[in-house]
Amino acid sequence: QLQLQESGPGLVKPSETLSFTCTVSGGSISSSSYYWGWIRQPPGKGLQWIGSIYYSGSTYYNPSLKSRVTISVDTSKNQFSLKLSSVTAADTAVYYCVGVRGQEVSIDYWGQGTLVTVSS
Amino acid sequence: QSVLTQPPSASGTPGQRVTISCSGSSSNIGSNTVNWYQQLPGTAPKLLIYGNNQRPSGVPDRFSGSKSGTSASLAISGLQSEDEADYYCAAWDDSLSGLVFGGGTKLTVL
Repeated sequence: QLQLQESGPGLVKPSETLSFTCTVSGGSISSSSYYWGWIRQPPGKGLQWIGSIYYSGSTYYNPSLKSRVTISVDTSKNQFSLKLSSVTAADTAVYYCVGVRGQEVSIDYWGQGTLVTVSS
Repeated sequence: QSVLTQPPSASGTPGQRVTISCSGSSSNIGSNTVNWYQQLPGTAPKLLIYGNNQRPSGVPDRFSGSKSGTSASLAISGLQSEDEADYYCAAWDDSLSGLVFGGGTKLTVL
């Protein structure tokens, strides 16, 4: 059973870069069955896919965020990371790291989620 | 505005059967499988249905999914108070090359 744990700041200033790391335990991030991603949920609102990465480094990004998002993977640490630049108050949300089963594109594993507030 | 369309709310009494719809297009539901997630208050979402109609281990058979054309449905039979949650549909969108979600349906057990 995989477990995902996000780590990152709870408060980020406007125009700065939001950075998160997700540590995968209970299995290898290099598994060919899964790829890894980030989902966010603004307070009181629905889910939004940010992007995904395969262990090989192939990435897919939400077109609406693509210019500001970078997702990377570190197989040696069994971790993957999110960077979202030039944040505004609209980026305030709970950020989840997720494990996605490739064939069905089903999100089998979720981190516990971390609320990030963008405020000066 | 979500790519997939769900009713914002649904309700039922204990024991009833409730269905939640999810409408999309040919580039998402029409050509890819649909997954459903349940989000209990204050918790991370949980996979409820994958591959249109498959239940992960541990999900009661009261929950079922179906798909027809560019629409999908989640059915919950024998409604229980603990089913009160937000439900989201999701599918890969070939045009956007990304995962798209419905706006979510808040289920209230009366």
